[in-house]
This record gives sequence, structure tokens and C-alpha cells, in this order.
Amino acid sequence: RKEVEQDPGPFNVPEGATVAFNCTYSNSASQSFFWYRQDCRKEPKLLMSVYSSGNEDGRFTAQLNRASQYISLLIRDSKLSDSATYLCVVNFNAGNNRKLIWGLGTSLAVNP
Amino acid sequence: EPEVTQTPSHQVTQMGQEVILRCVPISNHLYFYWYRQILGQKVEFLVSFYNNEISEKSEIFDDQFSVERPDGSNFTLKIRSTKLEDSAMYFCASSEERKPQHFGDGTRLSIL
Repeated sequence: RKEVEQDPGPFNVPEGATVAFNCTYSNSASQSFFWYRQDCRKEPKLLMSVYSSGNEDGRFTAQLNRASQYISLLIRDSKLSDSATYLCVVNFNAGNNRKLIWGLGTSLAVNP
Repeated sequence: EPEVTQTPSHQVTQMGQEVILRCVPISNHLYFYWYRQILGQKVEFLVSFYNNEISEKSEIFDDQFSVERPDGSNFTLKIRSTKLEDSAMYFCASSEERKPQHFGDGTRLSIL
């Protein structure tokens, strides 16, 4: 089983749609969870950390289910500028946030 | 907003040559990282660095690779004898303790 697994997509949605991405991770000792966004041939940029209680940042909502080792990202009212690859990222180390393990990413295209 | 900067943005090198990729982390960050991303593949951890020494490295980070923090600001990745398969985007990242990592915009390394 891959360490971090995501549906690669692509997801093609119209503007204003709600879209959900899922991610599973294999190591139950994982400590920290993130969603990063990556535009084509650009660096990954932190979108949001994912907390056990779930968290929301504007149109973005992240959920974590430790029992199922599952992370999700929900984007509401999607914009053209949301088109990117969304990377699920997991940190297996406690404390000092060292090695990040990356999913392959889910590609999103928001269409006018 | 402070950012991680990387130079050069693109490096073209003959196979077998040495290459040095440079990074200036965010000034108050204490943890430094190198990742790489081969075109079309996921981001892969190479090495983490703290307190002037390597804290963790991956299987990719073999004897051909080394890192250095030669002064108070730069963090470098050296590849001693480059191979064709070293062609990739190389990302530097830095973080504060227990905080998410912030990435530079990468160096595209092309080995001919």
C-alpha cells in the first residue's frame, strides 16, 4: 500500500461547484497532516493544515479521520483560480515536523 | 511576507559534472529541507537539516549528495557526479519548530 494515496483525477468542474478530494495514508503513527496546492511547474504552497477536529478556511474545509486513516478536502463555490494540483501531505515524525510524505496529487480544473 | 529563495531557477549540466543548488531559507527558521520532484511524479523527501547537521535523509540521498550551511543564510545541496536520472525540480523548504514547511520556487535541474 502506498504511504499516501490520492485519486489523481483529473476533476473537471464548473465554476461554483463543490468538489471533494480524498486521501488515505498507511502509517497509523502519522502526526501531522496538510493540504498543499501546486500549480503547474511551480513550488508546492501550503493550503491548510488538517486538525483532528476538522477545520475550515473560507471556502476550504479539511477533515481528518484517524481511525480510517483518511483525510479530505472540500472546496465550495470553486473559482477558476482554484485550478491546480492538490497534494495530500503527511508527517510521520512527532514534534519537529521533519520528513513530509507526499501523495501524487489530485488535479482540479475549474471551467467557466 | 518572508520567503524561501532558490538559485538558479534553471541549471543545465553535463552528466558527470558537479552541481550546487543554493537556497536562502526564511531568516528565523531553524529546520531546512531538500525535496525533489521528477516531472510527472510526486514530491520526494531528500534530507532534513537542523543544528548544523543532517537529521534525516532518504534512500535517494546517497553518497553523491551532500548539504551544507556555509554561513548564516545559505543552505546548499551538492550533487557530486550527476546522472541523467537526477533531472528534476529541486525544492528547498524551511520551517520553525512544529510549524508547516515553506517552499522555495525550485531549481529545475536538467542533466544532458
